[in-house]
Order: sequence, then structure tokens, then C-alpha cells
Amino acid sequence: GAVVSQHPSWVICKSGTSVKIECRSLDFQATTMFWYRQFPKQSLMLMATSNEGSKATYEQGVEKDKFLINHASLTLSTLTVTSAHPEDSSFYICSARTGRGGYGYTFGSGTRLTVV
Amino acid sequence: KQEVTQIPAALSVPEGENLVLNCSFTDSAIYNLQWFRQDPGKGLTSLLLIQSSQREQTSGRLNASLDKSSGRSTLYIAASQPGDSATYLCAVTKYNTDKLIFGTGTRLQVFP
Repeated sequence: GAVVSQHPSWVICKSGTSVKIECRSLDFQATTMFWYRQFPKQSLMLMATSNEGSKATYEQGVEKDKFLINHASLTLSTLTVTSAHPEDSSFYICSARTGRGGYGYTFGSGTRLTVV
Repeated sequence: KQEVTQIPAALSVPEGENLVLNCSFTDSAIYNLQWFRQDPGKGLTSLLLIQSSQREQTSGRLNASLDKSSGRSTLYIAASQPGDSATYLCAVTKYNTDKLIFGTGTRLQVFP
């Protein structure tokens, strides 16, 4: 079945530095990927939708200059948290659409980001 | 704005019990509803998907129902096992969009 590989699984960084998270579709082409963040004991909140070869669409309240999304190929989307602060500490998960109309999503295994 | 709520937020039961997890959504104009499982610190695994025209779906010990008009879905887990311990999330998809709107989740613990 469709597999999305997400790396790193966890990362600790200092305040003010940038962190890049990668999501790769291993055996299919992902024209659309979704990025979510999840705070402890809370649900997933959609941050942005990335489409291959075009600019990402950000949800209301998400700073596009802080969370840079690049979807340069059909198998790779990246999320860069720029100038990270402790409040950015969260669990970030990507998802690739493998079907139409909300049917068929494959999720990455998530990245635990801790900013100290 | 679509809001998805799950009750209860947490549940702890002994092995063997039959369980019902609830999901409610405020906007009935949905394309489908899905139930996911999330293990601690992991991504999501899709369990069941119900199209808006369907009323239920079954997979093994899992049965999910959908009442779109009332904005409700239930996930029924039969003969629960410790391996069922996880967080269960429901998510709806609105027409003409691929976005999943997730519920608040139910943290389930099944003890031996």
C-alpha cells in the first residue's frame, strides 16, 4: 500500500534556529500533501495544503513566513519551521492524498519537535 | 465553520467489553466521515470510511455508523482487547474539498 515516510521522527533545537521536516511518498506520486500540528492530548489541526509545483495554501492563523512549505517534486514535501520558539514545540504530521474527495489518505509517522 | 466533537474524551475499560465511541459534527454537508487510530507518538491509521450516502461500515470487530442528518457517527468496538488501546479520531470531509477536519479524539485504554 501507499507509504509516506516522514523524517526526522523527533528533533530538539535551540530557540531561533530553523528545522526542516521531510515527507516522502515512497511508492506513489503525491500531488497534494497536508501538514498538521498536534498539541498534547489535542486533535490534529490542519496547517497548510501543499500542491506540487505551486505555493502552499495556509489555513487561517498559520504564519506562512514562519512555516515554509515546499513541494518541489511529486514525492517530496518539506516543512521548515523558521526561527523556532518554544511555543512551536508540537507534533507535526504530514499526509498525502491517495484518492479523491477525502478518500484515501496516508499519514506520515509524525515528527516531535521540541524547542529549548 | 465545521466543528467535530468526540465523546468521551477518555475511556478505560477491562478487556472483553463492547465499546461505543461517539463523534458529532455541526455541518451535515459532508462528503464522508472516517475513523482513525493513533498510537502514542505515531501517525494515523485509517480504520473505516463511510460515504455520506452510506449508513454504516464494518471491518472485523469494528462497526461505524453514520447519521448525517443528525450530525452523528458512532464507532462500535466489539470484545475489546488491550491492543485496541490508542486514541481514536473521527474526521469529516466537506464537499468539494480534500480537507479533513478532525474531532477532538477519544483516548481508549483497555486493561487485561
